[in-house]
Amino acid sequence: DADVTQTPRNRITKTGKRIMLECSQTKGHDRMYWYRQDPGLGLRLIYYSFDVKDINKGEISDGYSVSRQAQAKFSLSLESAIPNQTALYFCATSDLRGSYNEQFFGPGTRLTVL
Amino acid sequence: AQSVTQPDIHITVSEGASLELRCNYSYGATPYLFWYVQSPGQGLQLLLKYFSGDTLVQGIKGFEAEFKRSQSSFNLRKPSVHWSDAAEYFCAVGAHGYGNKLVFGAGTILRVKS
Repeated sequence: DADVTQTPRNRITKTGKRIMLECSQTKGHDRMYWYRQDPGLGLRLIYYSFDVKDINKGEISDGYSVSRQAQAKFSLSLESAIPNQTALYFCATSDLRGSYNEQFFGPGTRLTVL
Repeated sequence: AQSVTQPDIHITVSEGASLELRCNYSYGATPYLFWYVQSPGQGLQLLLKYFSGDTLVQGIKGFEAEFKRSQSSFNLRKPSVHWSDAAEYFCAVGAHGYGNKLVFGAGTILRVKS
């Protein structure tokens, strides 16, 4: 059962292009997160959202923007992609009322910027 | 702010041998601690978590971890490794009142040789 889904799963694009990565969840969670994973660096937080009207920058938000269209949907945009944004991107969710900090991850989107 | 160190980038063990993956954290109070596993081409799956109470926690797939406050550690162990355990393992720490945010270590890649 795919509680957290991400589309696309793989994307190759060119420098300067606008890219949107989408995340949807059926878990009914309030909180959603976007991370990027780079070899040797682990996961780093880009943006997070506590609800539709509450969006916050993470540690590496420069060059990215997000949109929380609904409780279940959280999109990440790269307005003008650059090669060092090549990475594996994960969406995650957590429940305000649930186990402390536990997050549930989507399968990831592998983005390559040429 | 909290931080997580996973000192070993790669570890290779023989199938059937025991395993210990190290994790050290930095945080001023009792943290929430997690171990996630990422199999090749997959998202992150929660192995186990520590919030309070018994410092030895059991997880899925035969893994366990021990919280040692005096050493600021949360090492992951498994008594007998299977080839299917080959993956990347991430330790993460969360904090009270930190908006459910997690800070991840850089990861340890486990290779299992037959």
